[in-house]
Amino acid sequence: GAGVSQSPRYKVAKRGQDVALRCDPISGHVSLFWYQQALGQGPEFLTYFQNEAQLDKSGLPSDRFFAERPEGSVSTLKIQRTQQEDSAVYLCASSDRGTSIGETQYFGPGTRLLVL
Amino acid sequence: KNEVEQSPQNLTAQEGEFITINCSYSVGISALHWLQQHPGGGIVSLFMLSSGKKKHGRLIATINIQEKHSSLHITASHPRDSAVYICAAFSARQLTFGSGTQLTVLP
Repeated sequence: GAGVSQSPRYKVAKRGQDVALRCDPISGHVSLFWYQQALGQGPEFLTYFQNEAQLDKSGLPSDRFFAERPEGSVSTLKIQRTQQEDSAVYLCASSDRGTSIGETQYFGPGTRLLVL
Repeated sequence: KNEVEQSPQNLTAQEGEFITINCSYSVGISALHWLQQHPGGGIVSLFMLSSGKKKHGRLIATINIQEKHSSLHITASHPRDSAVYICAAFSARQLTFGSGTQLTVLP
């Protein structure tokens, strides 16, 4: 079956512009994660959903970052008033159960965001 | 917050060599993940383990919970193994990632 997909794959934004990044998890997967990966670094956790509930958003770097998953499937990460330091690859991952013990996560290809 | 450290940062090996990548973490975890990231960003989960050892083909992952340490071994390395290998520690619903080890296997 299809894996995790993300769109767009690449996004160039002018500083101050709002952007929306989409993640389509594997069908039926309960858990969905967003990560931010700066160049040359490992990914960093942003936020986590179990179905439609956002259970952890402690990694969101500022209130300009907002994520939603209204129907428990597709998720959107929105960044308002983008800044240059927001330039990174944004990765989405899903797993088929809740994360009480850390199930295998399946990663999407990422969205590479460049803010000029 | 868990601190996850990997070593080495960069590793170059000749085809056929046995490779070891190390990972240590600072806080107790419920699981440790090893991931492979290819150029262009695609991440593949290799292993998830919470104790002992797992083997898949030429890849072996071990974890010592008491010492808060895990290793990824690659036997009979091949140029197609060239990638970034990342360990990630899972606790409190979050994965904390190491900064990765860039592995290059030369033919």
